[in-house]
Formats: sequence, structure tokens, C-alpha cells
Amino acid sequence: GDSVTQMEGPVTLSEEAFLTINCTYTATGYPSLFWYVQYPGEGLQLLLKATKADDKGSNKGFEATYRKETTSFHLEKGSVQVSDSAVYFCALSGSSGGSYIPTFGRGTSLIVHP
Amino acid sequence: NAGVTQTPKFQVLKTGQSMTLQCAQDMNHNSMYWYRQDPGMGLRLIYYSASEGTTDKGEVPNGYNVSRLNKREFSLRLESAAPSQTSVYFCASSEGTSGGYNEQFFGPGTRLTVL
Repeated sequence: GDSVTQMEGPVTLSEEAFLTINCTYTATGYPSLFWYVQYPGEGLQLLLKATKADDKGSNKGFEATYRKETTSFHLEKGSVQVSDSAVYFCALSGSSGGSYIPTFGRGTSLIVHP
Repeated sequence: NAGVTQTPKFQVLKTGQSMTLQCAQDMNHNSMYWYRQDPGMGLRLIYYSASEGTTDKGEVPNGYNVSRLNKREFSLRLESAAPSQTSVYFCASSEGTSGGYNEQFFGPGTRLTVL
């Protein structure tokens, strides 16, 4: 079945540092890939997405590129802010062996210090 | 648009009590979902409804029941609450297409404590 593996957190950074959160997946076919963000006390919200190989999703300074050859969708940001402190979830859906129901990673907590 | 709304926001129950968590969406989505979120466990799917009139079990359905009341509303019922059901519950919705490009929209969550 489908699976998503994220790096374990928490990831602790100083403001303006470079961020990478690794995400790899196992799925058949060409799933869509997503990053969701969950701010404290809130539900998840879509951060960015990519629907085919080599697509780059971007939003709010975050980027992720759909790498079919390495089955990865790593999240990056060049300069993090305290307000980026949240939990980040990688997810996929629509693999040929699965369904439209997303498979989520376990989430990576990001803590940014001033 | 309100998006996905959930009630209540917080609830404390005693073991054995019952309650219903309510969820509604105003985006005309076909599919709706109930998840629970526990520390270190990520999100786990309890039940989902692919379309109005259908419901299916997810990863952790035991101890729960659901009702898809109409296209907008999807409720989750705990018939006899247990401490193991202490969690944060999220409702979500999506267009439900089979093509995979299918982002989910989440409600703000219900924080449930069972004593």
C-alpha cells in the first residue's frame, strides 16, 4: 500500500535559517503530492501541492519539487520566521494502487526561535 | 464561505457517556472524513463518506459510528466513550474526484477528554 515517511522532529531553527523537511513516499503510478501545515490549536491547511513529476509547488516562501526518480517531495524555505512554527505534514493521494483518500506522514514539528 | 465547521470545540465526558460530533461544509464537496490526532501518531482516519448516502470504515473505526445526513453534514458518534478516545477530532472534506488532485479542507477540530 501507499506510505509517506517524514523526518522526525522537532526541527529547531533560529530565525532566518534555511529549512529542509524531508519527505519520501511509496506508491504506484503518479500520485499527487501535498504539504499541509497545522498551526497551534488549528486544523490542517494546504500549504502547497504538485500533481506530476518535476512540478514545483510553492506558497508563502515554501517550495517542494516532485521528484519521481527519488520518490521525494522535500519541503524547503530559504529564511524561516518565528511565525512558521507549526507542524508540517506530507501527504499523497491518487496513486494507481490506492484511492483519492490521502495518505499522510506523521508530521514534523518546526520550532523557530527569534 | 465558512469552509468546514465543527461543533463543539471542546468536550469533557465521563466513561460510558455518549456524544455526537457535528461537522458541516459549505463547499459542495462530495467526500467527507473524520480523523483523530494523537501525539506521535499523526492523523488516523476513522470513517469517511465518498458521497452522500455512503460511508466506509477507515483505519480506526472501532467505538465510533457515523451518519452522512446530507451532502453538507457528516456526524461522528461515540456510543460509550472510553478514555482511549481522548483525542483531537478533525473533520475534513474534498471534492472526491478519482483523479488524485484532491486536496482536503479541514475544520478547526474538537478537543475531547474522556475521564
